[in-house]
Amino acid sequence: GQQVMQIPQYQHVQEGEDFTTYCNSSTTLSNIQWYKQRPGGHPVFLIQLVKSGEVKKQKRLTFQFGEAKKNSSLHITATQTTDVGTYFCAGAPTSGTYKYIFGTGTRLKVLA
Amino acid sequence: DGGITQSPKYLFRKEGQNVTLSCEQNLNHDAMYWYRQDPGQGLRLIYYSQIVNDFQKGDIAEGYSVSREKKESFPLTVTSAQKNPTAFYLCASSIRGEGTEAFFGQGTRLTVV
Repeated sequence: GQQVMQIPQYQHVQEGEDFTTYCNSSTTLSNIQWYKQRPGGHPVFLIQLVKSGEVKKQKRLTFQFGEAKKNSSLHITATQTTDVGTYFCAGAPTSGTYKYIFGTGTRLKVLA
Repeated sequence: DGGITQSPKYLFRKEGQNVTLSCEQNLNHDAMYWYRQDPGQGLRLIYYSQIVNDFQKGDIAEGYSVSREKKESFPLTVTSAQKNPTAFYLCASSIRGEGTEAFFGQGTRLTVV
């Protein structure tokens, strides 16, 4: 079946260091979304990427969608303690689908 | 305040009992979803509904049932047939249309003893 994998599963960084999580799909995606879940909380939408090779930025966060639309990445520059949480990607395998496949998530810990 | 509400936040049940988790939204969203989250894992789709009186199975529907009699409500019943029901359950909603963001509820942590 369709799978979306994320690496790494865990990442500990010192505050101020950069962080990147990678999302890889077994099939081509129509679009991809990223969510953040704080410890004990619920996922919150961050962004959506639709076009091949698309790059979007939100302050210190940079999101990229691969040329083949099978992978994506989230990069955080100069992490802060407020970045702590689990970051999930969610891919839509076909156009018009409501059935997003969530990645396994990357849990980020930031050490002050 | 507009939002999506799940209740209760924590739920304990004895093995063999059915239990229903509530999910209500006042965002006027057509689509609603139920996900299950286990420790260290991603979200797995149980059921989703694109419109009132219609719903489809997700990837792990066995042992669960849903109804969508009202636009605002999408309750999930965890039946005794679900072999490992202890988990964190998340309900979400979105407007219809491709690539719309999902808004999640606070979740219900179900423990079956």
